[in-house]
Formats: sequence, C-alpha cells, structure tokens
Amino acid sequence: EAGVAQSPRYKIIEKRQSVAFWCNPISGHATLYWYQQILGQGPKLLIQFQNNGVVDDSQLPKDRFSAERLKGVDSTLKIQPAKLEDSAVYLCASSLAPGLVIQYFGAGTRLSVL
Amino acid sequence: QKEVEQNSGPLSVPEGAIASLNCTYSDRGSQSFFWYRQYSGKSPELIMSIYSNGDKEDGRFTAQLNKASQYVSLLIRDSQPSDSATYLCAVNGESSYKLIFGSGTRLLVRP
Repeated sequence: EAGVAQSPRYKIIEKRQSVAFWCNPISGHATLYWYQQILGQGPKLLIQFQNNGVVDDSQLPKDRFSAERLKGVDSTLKIQPAKLEDSAVYLCASSLAPGLVIQYFGAGTRLSVL
Repeated sequence: QKEVEQNSGPLSVPEGAIASLNCTYSDRGSQSFFWYRQYSGKSPELIMSIYSNGDKEDGRFTAQLNKASQYVSLLIRDSQPSDSATYLCAVNGESSYKLIFGSGTRLLVRP
C-alpha cells in the first residue's frame, strides 16, 4: 500500500514570496490533515479536511495560508506571502475517517524562509 | 488551549535498559492517546495507541494510561540504539477529530 505522498521535499524561498505544497493521501482515506512542525516542537494542526470539506481550520493563519482539496483526494497548501516564522516542516497526514483513528504521515516538506 | 506536556530530554539510557517516557495532558475529556516515534529529519510514525486505563503491550513497548491522573507513559524494554529518536505523545483534543501533540522527548540509547 502506497503511503502519503508529499512534494516538494525541500523548499527555500525569500520572505514575501509565495509557496505551495502538494499532498496525495493514502488511497481510500477520507480525512486529510496539514500540520506545521517547527524545530523542537510537536506537529500543530493547521487544517483538517473530510473529503473535500473543511472540518477544522481554527489554527490556520488565514491572512496568508490557504488550502484546498477540490476533488476529495489530493490537497494543496499555499503560503502567500511567506514570513520568516513560517520556516518549518509541513506534514500531511491522512486517516480512513475522522475521530479515534490512526493518522499516517507523509515525509513532509521542509520550508526555509530567508 | 488544551495542552500536552512532555519532558524534552534528552533521556539517556544504556543499551538493554528500560526507557520510561512520560506525558501529561490537560483535557479530562480526552479519549484516545498515541505515541509516535520521530527519527531526526523524518516524519512521525505511530508505535502505540491506547484508549482505556491500564497497560497495553506490543513487543518491547508498553503504553500505560491513567485517566484520573491525566497521565500516559511509554515503556521501552531492552532499549536498542535504534530506538534513539524523539517520542511524541498525542492526545485527542476538544473533539475527537483533533490530535494535540506534545513537543516530544528525545531518547538516546547508549551502546
């Protein structure tokens, strides 16, 4: 079974530039999550999708971050414009359904904002 | 804001010893608890889940949950150098949909 796919693996941009990350969840997984993991911290949920609807985006900085999952499968997370404090690893995870189920993580995208 | 607290470590143990990792959480309504292992530069990998009070064993790993004390722990028996990683405790938050992660405990197993 293929895992959660993410691209790119690494990205270096300058502040005020824009960047986009892509995620393809495990086949059949209805729930998709985007997390931000700053060095030395645990992952923090940015947004959760159930199929193509948003379940939780309470911690998404909506003035600069956006995410979509148009067909209920793959998803894109965008940052525009980027700030220095956005430097982090962006992890995508998926699960069969929301709730008390296991989340499987992708390899992540390491973003450096200079 | 619901919180999950872990000692950042590093916790250093000799090879073959028992490593004990601890986690406390603030939301009394939490129902599911997970331990993830994260090697440096890699993504988190689930190693244990526990949902009811008591112990749950899986190979060299034992998860322990005490909801009254809001405490969950992970024991690793016969620790190996390959167990050296950061261990993240995760707890479901305000609803069953959201996982809240602690900042992780770094474990070093000395050969």
